[in-house]
Amino acid sequence: KNQVEQSPQSLIILEGKNCTLQCNYTVSPFSNLRWYKQDTGRGPVSLTIMTFSENTKSNGRYTATLDADTKQSSLHITASQLSDSASYICVVRGASGTYKYIFGTGTRLKVLA
Amino acid sequence: DGGITQSPKYLFRKEGQNVTLSCEQNLNHDAMYWYRQDPGQGLRLIYYSQIVNDFQKGDIAEGYSVSREKKESFPLTVTSAQKNPTAFYLCASSIPLAGFTDTQYFGPGTRLTVL
Repeated sequence: KNQVEQSPQSLIILEGKNCTLQCNYTVSPFSNLRWYKQDTGRGPVSLTIMTFSENTKSNGRYTATLDADTKQSSLHITASQLSDSASYICVVRGASGTYKYIFGTGTRLKVLA
Repeated sequence: DGGITQSPKYLFRKEGQNVTLSCEQNLNHDAMYWYRQDPGQGLRLIYYSQIVNDFQKGDIAEGYSVSREKKESFPLTVTSAQKNPTAFYLCASSIPLAGFTDTQYFGPGTRLTVL
């Protein structure tokens, strides 16, 4: 069964600290993996997207890594800010030809002053 | 929100009523999607459409209906047959066949509450 699992479920950190969110998936065959940021009550916004041939992708203070062999991805947030408080969703697209995106349940991050 | 608008932002429905959620995009994307988001769960696909006048059921299509008469519009009707419709509904669009790096752009969402 194609699944995407994220950990931790929730995380609280102090402003200025770094953190790493994890995503494990069983989707096969695999096309790409993306990380989204979703503010409360808003739609998700894309942060990074990686294909199976990419190991890392950065977007400002956000850096995503991908290990296609172990089917694991991580999102590292550097020097966190209060505005980073949101849910972070890992989404994997299969390569089966259908428009099938498998969504993780997200990690809810709270950054405290 | 990437050129996708959803309305209304909040919607209240009485039991037994049908309601229609609007989704419009000006990104010239061919593909459009409807998702449902519930607390503690990942987004679940309700319906998707790859081109005008064509749409496919997703994983949880029962109790929902859609139409795709125009490229820009993909309205979702929540019928009285949907037994638990209270949720956050998200519309998205993307360019299909864009290699391996297609990105879905999401609207701001509609929160539907059944009274």
